[in-house]
Amino acid sequence: SYELTQPPSVSVSPGQTARITCSGDKLGDKYACWYQQKPGQSPVLVIYQDNKRPSGIPERFSGSNSGNTATLTISGAQALDEADYYCQAWDTNTAFFGTGTKVTVL
Amino acid sequence: QVQLEESGPGRVKPSETLSLTCTVSDASISNYNWYWIRQPPGKGLEWIGDISYIGISNYSPSLKSRVTISIDASRNQFSLKLISVTAADTAMYYCARAYSRGWGCDHWGLGTLVTVSS
Repeated sequence: SYELTQPPSVSVSPGQTARITCSGDKLGDKYACWYQQKPGQSPVLVIYQDNKRPSGIPERFSGSNSGNTATLTISGAQALDEADYYCQAWDTNTAFFGTGTKVTVL
Repeated sequence: QVQLEESGPGRVKPSETLSLTCTVSDASISNYNWYWIRQPPGKGLEWIGDISYIGISNYSPSLKSRVTISIDASRNQFSLKLISVTAADTAMYYCARAYSRGWGCDHWGLGTLVTVSS
């Protein structure tokens, strides 16, 4: 079974840059997506196809994917970015979610 | 704006069948893939399976023996059935939409909490 591993938590000061990693075997050969989930809410897609932002997602969210690691970068983090973040990718015909990272802005 | 809404019982007894429906509003069910994803309380997201608008389904290997996803394009709905449930199936169940693999799920329902308990 394919696994996507994320750090449990990341802390960032307001205005600084947060980087969240997602590790999986040959992940760079697959497309990665990223979701933001705030408490009590449904997930929101923030990055798809490694580095594309859906309409309405701020430019401070960016993504990259190479080798075994996909990275979500939040440039100039704001208090409202505090949330859980999940990566997601497909392996053969199965979708896998990462273990999730809690981002704290303080 | 596309809206998805999950509906179904909030409580199911152990060994019985969990049945949920997702109704899609303000958009056609055509030309997209439709997903079921769940999240146990306090835990991460788990993909259950998906179905294309022409009815081709795909399931998580860990749930495949118990899951059926179906689609009714005439009603703009798709459904989930999970048989022989246990307490481990207690979760928030979400339906979602994706244009294609790699594009991610761009619209989600609010989710419905299903508790497996006698």
